[in-house]
Amino acid sequence: ETGVTQTPRHLVMGMTNKKSLKCEQHLGHNAMYWYKQSAKKPLELMFVYSLEERVENNSVPSRFSPECPNSSHLFLHLHTLQPEDSALYLCASSQERGLAGELFFGEGSRLTVL
Amino acid sequence: GDSVTQMEGPVTLSEEAFLTINCTYTATGYPSLFWYVQYPGEGLQLLLKATKADDKGSNKGFEATYRKETTSFHLEKGSVQVSDSAVYFCALFIFSGGYNKLIFGAGTRLAVHP
Repeated sequence: ETGVTQTPRHLVMGMTNKKSLKCEQHLGHNAMYWYKQSAKKPLELMFVYSLEERVENNSVPSRFSPECPNSSHLFLHLHTLQPEDSALYLCASSQERGLAGELFFGEGSRLTVL
Repeated sequence: GDSVTQMEGPVTLSEEAFLTINCTYTATGYPSLFWYVQYPGEGLQLLLKATKADDKGSNKGFEATYRKETTSFHLEKGSVQVSDSAVYFCALFIFSGGYNKLIFGAGTRLAVHP
């Protein structure tokens, strides 16, 4: 496998459920990102991990909990979400101090909260 | 703060028409600028970039010139194809706190008809 892979591609959950989104990159990068894509809004940067350390938490509600166990894997744990959290969640990776600004994105996980 | 503003879509064109998608930015310093494209059902892909004033990025017939005096990075293509139908995102790059961060515009949907 190559590139950035996200699973599941689609997820439907109730407000009381607990689920996780997974991201895996095979590019040898050392930084990973979660973005939220909602209709008619700019992509919102949620979290950044650089060298497996969280370096940005963009005022994201605590019902979203990221985890980066190693440089190749990134998770987004979801708990007691709200319907307005329904969106496409995109994972990306980059090589820090490498090609400036070039992020490689996965295809996204489409989340629907009922 | 740093931000990106794109023209609202959708933009609907006939095949072989000329395309312009406007993008302006607000930033401290001199950021690198990017256009990403998102085809239906896929993640974002880097289309082109420019790292300093007056640079022209180009790829797949698309071009954009970094204009510092007007803080703009408009995307152009001389003759669009149906396969260019996608959402286009303008973004600026910041290197801050030791890691890369991309700030995106809201995206502009392009629909090209035969």
